[in-house]
Amino acid sequence: GESVGLHLPTLSVQEGDNSIINCAYSNSASDYFIWYKQESGKGPQFIIDIRSNMDKRQGQRVTVLLNKTVKHLSLQIAATQPGDSAVYFCAENNADDMRFGAGTRLTVKP
Amino acid sequence: DTGVSQDPRHKITKRGQNVTFRCDPISEHNRLYWYRQTLGQGPEFLTYFQNEAQLEKSRLLSDRFSAERPKGSFSTLEIQRTEQGDSAMYLCASSLDPVAGGYTFGSGTRLTVV
Repeated sequence: GESVGLHLPTLSVQEGDNSIINCAYSNSASDYFIWYKQESGKGPQFIIDIRSNMDKRQGQRVTVLLNKTVKHLSLQIAATQPGDSAVYFCAENNADDMRFGAGTRLTVKP
Repeated sequence: DTGVSQDPRHKITKRGQNVTFRCDPISEHNRLYWYRQTLGQGPEFLTYFQNEAQLEKSRLLSDRFSAERPKGSFSTLEIQRTEQGDSAMYLCASSLDPVAGGYTFGSGTRLTVV
């Protein structure tokens, strides 16, 4: 069946650099996507979302880009901080539930 | 409202025993979801409720698993005759309908079957 997936399982960046986390999805009918951050021992925490009628959405230090042509989603984190270290999931929301990929572990080096 | 609450946070049980977890969603959210997460993996959908009605169940939800939301508020997830493969983090989430701002997750119940 169709699923959400991620390109890289781990990403290591220097503090202060920008981070880019990528995600591929395969259900072209999906119309809502969410990025979550999960810290150890906690549940996923909402970061930012985007609907399929948009290409880009910005939040505080985060930007989500959606390329529907190639079914690709990315999360950009500006000026990455140690507190950004976590596992990041993209999720594809269908009418009745949300499907997650395996996640990317982001490590921020001081 | 303090968000989505799950109880207990940790549960260790012997194989073959029954366990029950509780989830208290955000009060104004009419949708409630259960997910299971194993180490190094993303959450896997189990089931969801719209108010008190259970509207979808995953193939992962074997007949040993049952979920209820009797009054459309809190929910329970019961696992009967636990197996070692049931060891995982069980996450509850809630949302509005239609979904806006994603789901709000609880901190989960970590189940260890020994």
